[in-house]
Amino acid sequence: DAKTTQPPSMDCAEGRAANLPCNHSTISGNEYVYWYRQIHSQGPQYIIHGLKNNETNEMASLIITEDRKSSTLILPHATLRDTAVYYCIVRVGGSNYKLTFGKGTLLTVNP
Amino acid sequence: NAGVTQTPKFQVLKTGQSMTLQCAQDMNHEYMSWYRQDPGMGLRLIHYSVGAGITDQGEVPNGYNVSRSTTEDFPLRLLSAAPSQTSVYFCASRGLAVSSYEQYFGPGTRLTVT
Repeated sequence: DAKTTQPPSMDCAEGRAANLPCNHSTISGNEYVYWYRQIHSQGPQYIIHGLKNNETNEMASLIITEDRKSSTLILPHATLRDTAVYYCIVRVGGSNYKLTFGKGTLLTVNP
Repeated sequence: NAGVTQTPKFQVLKTGQSMTLQCAQDMNHEYMSWYRQDPGMGLRLIHYSVGAGITDQGEVPNGYNVSRSTTEDFPLRLLSAAPSQTSVYFCASRGLAVSSYEQYFGPGTRLTVT
């Protein structure tokens, strides 16, 4: 699976959009981009995933560049409860895949 | 649905003791896995299973055994605990269909080996 690079930490003001970047310059054509987050001491939680197109769900939006070498997770109106470590993961498609977690980005939402 | 449950929540062991961490899911998921997370680190895959009777090693399998006799349960056994196994352990499950993209995690077991 392709390696990802994320900033170790970011800050965001409550109510503002949080934009979390991820670099995956070695991604191959059949690899998906996944985002999970881990609120302190809890198990990770799935947020969103995508292959080529931008995706949006009730939690977040995922913007993938046209060359697919980077992506941005957007939390449109961050709240204090969004303070967590956010993991960007790239994995091949298919049913028998394994998730590989890096160190992620610690997002701190400030009041 | 209870989702993925883990017991115990906390455990303290002495070096050399054995124990089993329990994991159960009620979503009829074929795929189950165990991760460990050390302070300030990401999760590392220990063992995984794609169905009853089928298990395989992950990134850090040494010192751990698993078995999968039912779809619901995937226990993790430490045969002789070592201080290096002090960690938080997470169990996870998901379906095997290509459309089953979301992996569900349990609340974790915090293990200290003295």
